[in-house]
Amino acid sequence: DGGITQSPKYLFRKEGQNVTLSCEQNLNHDAMYWYRQDPGQGLRLIYYSQIVNDFQKGDIAEGYSVSREKKESFPLTVTSAQKNPTAFYLCASSIRSSSTDTQYFGPGTRLTVL
Amino acid sequence: GENVEQHPSTLSVQEGDSAVIKCTYSDSASNYFPWYKQELGKRPQLIIDIRSNVGEKKDQRIAVTLNKTAKHFSLHITETQPEDSAVYFCAAMPLSGTYKYIFGTGTRLKVLA
Repeated sequence: DGGITQSPKYLFRKEGQNVTLSCEQNLNHDAMYWYRQDPGQGLRLIYYSQIVNDFQKGDIAEGYSVSREKKESFPLTVTSAQKNPTAFYLCASSIRSSSTDTQYFGPGTRLTVL
Repeated sequence: GENVEQHPSTLSVQEGDSAVIKCTYSDSASNYFPWYKQELGKRPQLIIDIRSNVGEKKDQRIAVTLNKTAKHFSLHITETQPEDSAVYFCAAMPLSGTYKYIFGTGTRLKVLA
């Protein structure tokens, strides 16, 4: 888990602003993911990427955008089109191998819209 | 589409008793089944996982059982302790193809002292 970092830990956004959440991993993992978690709720997949320069929409991609220019980095932009972005955002990464498929999570970013 | 159902949504047990959480998956291609524990305000942490070629796996007080025919798997916690109180998520993923994990909706476990 220590190999995945997210910043900032807390983020405040005014309505109409775009904000970017950072996610970096030094685990040499191929795949990276973004999840949204609302209070008392489960994990909802926003976007995921299986390889550099490629990514797929998850279940709730509207109002969000991502890029995967480097294997280590998978930033998430929350755009002004996202109507209710206040939530806990979790980044994760995983590697496909014969011995493990475990997904590891970063510490999360808590986004609040003012 | 792909789906993982998780029950119960909340579970309260007395300290020392056992707790069982069950998940049912829809995609028969699923072959990897992890369980995560999430404490309040923290990230989910893997506590145990199982592959489809194994029916049961144990790690101290935690065990997971898998029934591929019925497409369900369960988490068993024995001799529960207050520090086991958390939200538990199950997930399913196929071993080939997509890297996408399908998560259950979570179970809030409360261990009463």
